[in-house]
Amino acid sequence: IQVTQSPSSLSASVGDTITITCQASHDISNYLNWYQQKPGQPPKLLIYGASNLEPGVPSRFSGNGFGTDFSFTINSLQPEDFATYYCQEYDDVPPALTFGGGTKVDIK
Amino acid sequence: QLQLVESGGGLVKPGGSLRLSCAASGFTFRDSYMAWIRQAPGKGLEWVAYITNSLSDTNYAASVKGRFTISRDNTNDALFLQMNSLRAEDTAVYYCVRAQIGACTSTRCGPGAFDMWGQGTLVTVSS
Repeated sequence: IQVTQSPSSLSASVGDTITITCQASHDISNYLNWYQQKPGQPPKLLIYGASNLEPGVPSRFSGNGFGTDFSFTINSLQPEDFATYYCQEYDDVPPALTFGGGTKVDIK
Repeated sequence: QLQLVESGGGLVKPGGSLRLSCAASGFTFRDSYMAWIRQAPGKGLEWVAYITNSLSDTNYAASVKGRFTISRDNTNDALFLQMNSLRAEDTAVYYCVRAQIGACTSTRCGPGAFDMWGQGTLVTVSS
């Protein structure tokens, strides 16, 4: 399975709403997750099963999609949200567990 | 306290071997799917291997199959990654990770989301 994530980078301001997309090479149902990684830290799970918010994650983060097209949105970007975001699929058994290439979100 | 602590990383020559360990605490390790995920310097994330809970079904990325072996000790809440025939392209931070259960068939399930990560251990393969 190929997972194409876009854009690879974007610049935004505090308070903006941003959207990142991932496209799978074939139907993966809702088997897609989203992670946030800050420099020098391990990734953190934000969204699982395409749209489910991990406990403790702020509600300004959301995910959507089914099949091959998925999106991840941050409403009202906060200073602590500037980071790199990854999608990851887990379709099939055994799964390929492919990660998208990442989207670096930095300050405009 | 939920925690995964990796150890065993370091500098090794091409063709050499290294064994990574991960000590788990704060959750029921024996019931958990576990995995190793790596990140080359300045690059993205790559899944390396996973192991299911008590049945210990394993699977490997094509890039490491036949060279790496994942195993677990449910008595001592530990995860391992034996890495043989190391190459320069294996240089990366290796993360020990807990996985949620993901997609299932009638007989088995694979991992899904990676919901708990260690801080990582750096493996450098260089002469």
